[in-house]
Amino acid sequence: GESVGLHLPTLSVQEGDNSIINCAYSNSASDYFIWYKQESGKGPQFIIDIRSNMDKRQGQRVTVLLNKTVKHLSLQIAATQPGDSAVYFCAELSQGGNTGKLIFGQGTTLQVKP
Amino acid sequence: KAGVTQTPRYLIKTRGQQVTLSCSPISGHRSVSWYQQTPGQGLQFLFEYFSETQRNKGNFPGRFSGRQFSNSRSEMNVSTLELGDSALYLCASSLATDNEKLFFGSGTQLSVL
Repeated sequence: GESVGLHLPTLSVQEGDNSIINCAYSNSASDYFIWYKQESGKGPQFIIDIRSNMDKRQGQRVTVLLNKTVKHLSLQIAATQPGDSAVYFCAELSQGGNTGKLIFGQGTTLQVKP
Repeated sequence: KAGVTQTPRYLIKTRGQQVTLSCSPISGHRSVSWYQQTPGQGLQFLFEYFSETQRNKGNFPGRFSGRQFSNSRSEMNVSTLELGDSALYLCASSLATDNEKLFFGSGTQLSVL
């Protein structure tokens, strides 16, 4: 079946360090991936996305890497700040009629220590 | 531009009752999806609407239903509430017709007693 998982439920980093959050997916047909950030009491907030025809995409302080060979996705956050503390979800979508149906991983809680 | 708006923010119901949740998408977005979020199951897809038609449906019982109006606003209804329906219900809207980048509201926290 389809599943998207994250390797670690919790990641603790020092302020200013770089953070790497990992995600493994099982559906090789998935061709679109998104990272979301969810703060307490809020809905998931879009961070960055990547299509399967790419292996890297950069945003502001964030980079997403996609390795289709091992079905692995990662989110890198540069110079992590206290405001980055949240739960991070990866999500996948396979085309072909699965409109709106993102499959989410269980989430990684990022804790930033001052 | 206003984001996705969900009302009410909190709801407390008792078993057997029914509930209706409302969602107003981002202006110009025609697709609305609903998700259920619980600590145990995470985020799970309920259904998706586009131009007043349900295009996709998740694996939830028939007690969960939804609809979309001509102005793209959407409602979801849960009938005969069960304790296990307690969850955060999230609505997301999308601009793209193939519904990729979803923008979420803050959700409705439903507690069933």
